[in-house]
Amino acid sequence: GAVVSQHPSWVICKSGTSVKIECRSLDFQATTMFWYRQFPKQSLMLMATSNEGSKATYEQGVEKDKFLINHASLTLSTLTVTSAHPEDSSFYICSARVGLAGGTEQYFGPGTRLTVT
Amino acid sequence: GESVGLHLPTLSVQEGDNSIINCAYSNSASDYFIWYKQESGKGPQFIIDIRSNMDKRQGQRVTVLLNKTVKHLSLQIAATQPGDSAVYFCAEMFGNEKLTFGTGTRLTIIP
Repeated sequence: GAVVSQHPSWVICKSGTSVKIECRSLDFQATTMFWYRQFPKQSLMLMATSNEGSKATYEQGVEKDKFLINHASLTLSTLTVTSAHPEDSSFYICSARVGLAGGTEQYFGPGTRLTVT
Repeated sequence: GESVGLHLPTLSVQEGDNSIINCAYSNSASDYFIWYKQESGKGPQFIIDIRSNMDKRQGQRVTVLLNKTVKHLSLQIAATQPGDSAVYFCAEMFGNEKLTFGTGTRLTIIP
């Protein structure tokens, strides 16, 4: 149980285009989903926290107009990188928190490798 | 802001030996700690967790130790295997909020 999937697993796009990444909790409902970015040989940096049906909360320094997050259902959150540039190339990882009162269990997706040319 | 860090960025261990990965955290109010394993090109995989009201927790071949006095966390892996080669991250949480990840340690198992 507690599987989180991401699609696509990797994507290459041209500079200036937009890319959408999906994150799904396959066998549980996630009231909260998180989006992380990880550059090579670095740690995971939280970009934003999204709660189903409400606006995402972005971390300091993350442009909300560039990284659009939609959490339309309890099993799906999407991250859209708008007007992507080479510096946005990174490994994007989502995680989903089980919707239990006070629960802290958090499960991670396999990641999406974005390369902007 | 608060941060979680590791003492050693790389660690090489002979297969079959035990390994210890260390982590220092700075938020004394953190009440939940987790160790993750990340293989190349994959997402983090949960290994073991511990709450602040405990100082030791054991799993299968892994043990986490928490020393709140010096704000130190360690992961011990017994009888290491080639499959244990990966990057290991500690992470902390306060009050069921967001996870803060440490910088990571690359563990290499030498055959």
